[in-house]
Amino acid sequence: DTGVSQDPRHKITKRGQNVTFRCDPISEHNRLYWYRQTLGQGPEFLTYFQNEAQLEKSRLLSDRFSAERPKGSFSTLEIQRTEQGDSAMYLCASSQQGATTEAFFGQGTRLTVV
Amino acid sequence: GESVGLHLPTLSVQEGDNSIINCAYSNSASDYFIWYKQESGKGPQFIIDIRSNMDKRQGQRVTVLLNKTVKHLSLQIAATQPGDSAVYFCAEDSGGYQKVTFGTGTKLQVIP
Repeated sequence: DTGVSQDPRHKITKRGQNVTFRCDPISEHNRLYWYRQTLGQGPEFLTYFQNEAQLEKSRLLSDRFSAERPKGSFSTLEIQRTEQGDSAMYLCASSQQGATTEAFFGQGTRLTVV
Repeated sequence: GESVGLHLPTLSVQEGDNSIINCAYSNSASDYFIWYKQESGKGPQFIIDIRSNMDKRQGQRVTVLLNKTVKHLSLQIAATQPGDSAVYFCAEDSGGYQKVTFGTGTKLQVIP
């Protein structure tokens, strides 16, 4: 396994369009996280899955944002009716439940809304 | 609300010298404090963490110090190398399920 994989790496979309990003975590990791990062800032927590259960979604930025992890493996993050303010890097991370805080991040999907 | 912040946005260090990156936090209930390194175009990379009941932890060339009295966290990098050039984030984990709050980052520049 080569680590957390995100697709696409870059996405340019017109305002009002829907976009969907995919994350493939490290295969043995049961925890998966989505973060958003804007330029010069640290990643901002959005949501968290343990296996297929979404245990925390209160930080999703609006009802336009949704995430799924249907089989407890890969996850998707969808943004509906994109706005220019949604332009950011969307990061996925995974970890194994246990006594460590170490999470492994993907390289992110950079979204540009024009 | 809770926040994690950094004292300096940019730190320039001569190659071979030691680096110290500082961070202030406000949430006393955090279980862990974590340092991440982020190189340009990449996702953050875990460096080291420290549990809230500890005051020091050492890794390979790195040491993290936690001072709960003044709510201060620091990352010391020994013999800084060009490959250490990156943005460093301190973060806190208070969610039990590893919900991590990141600060805004310090950029470390290593001068050859």
